[in-house]
Amino acid sequence: DTGVSQDPRHKITKRGQNVTFRCDPISEHNRLYWYRQTLGQGPEFLTYFQNEAQLEKSRLLSDRFSAERPKGSFSTLEIQRTEQGDSAMYLCASSLQGWELFFGEGSRLTVL
Amino acid sequence: TQLLEQSPQFLSIQEGENLTVYCNSSSVFSSLQWYRQEPGEGPVLLVTVVTGGEVKKLKRLTFQFGDARKDSSLHITAAQPGDTGLYLCAGHSGGSNYKLTFGKGTLLTVNP
Repeated sequence: DTGVSQDPRHKITKRGQNVTFRCDPISEHNRLYWYRQTLGQGPEFLTYFQNEAQLEKSRLLSDRFSAERPKGSFSTLEIQRTEQGDSAMYLCASSLQGWELFFGEGSRLTVL
Repeated sequence: TQLLEQSPQFLSIQEGENLTVYCNSSSVFSSLQWYRQEPGEGPVLLVTVVTGGEVKKLKRLTFQFGDARKDSSLHITAAQPGDTGLYLCAGHSGGSNYKLTFGKGTLLTVNP
């Protein structure tokens, strides 16, 4: 399968713990996006990378959130000191050019 | 902040019926996309429209971009249970803004 892959698919954690999600984009895609989606809502933009450079970051991304794409390939999204409000589906998407995003299946986070 | 409003929020119909869902904004978008999302999965791109007044057809689905590029519609003919899902519109404002803004979606249920 050469689509966008995300890991883990599901994560249950206790409040205050740190979690990290990984995204492997489609191999030739230089653009990578992170979105967050809660029940009944559309995806909300978190951050965007072009190659290894993080070019845009939403105000939704508090200091507890950090994203990296160290070699311009895979990306990680870390949430420190998780809160119950962080419970959501975290979606990764990649694209080569234009605005046609290819999404992964998402990582669902539940904070107890 | 650019907002995309989708209507209706929920739609439940019988197999074989026709339907139209709408995506409206007060802002102009350089391009607009429609995605379909199934439960527990990431959104899947259906179509991109870029020209005001543009109409695109994808089998039983017809997409239209408004003349002013502020609104769009999706019409499904003879709906089938396999069309069930969350239909999301997403717009890009153009320029150096990398963010794709999503609406909240229309949740369509097609009953056999």
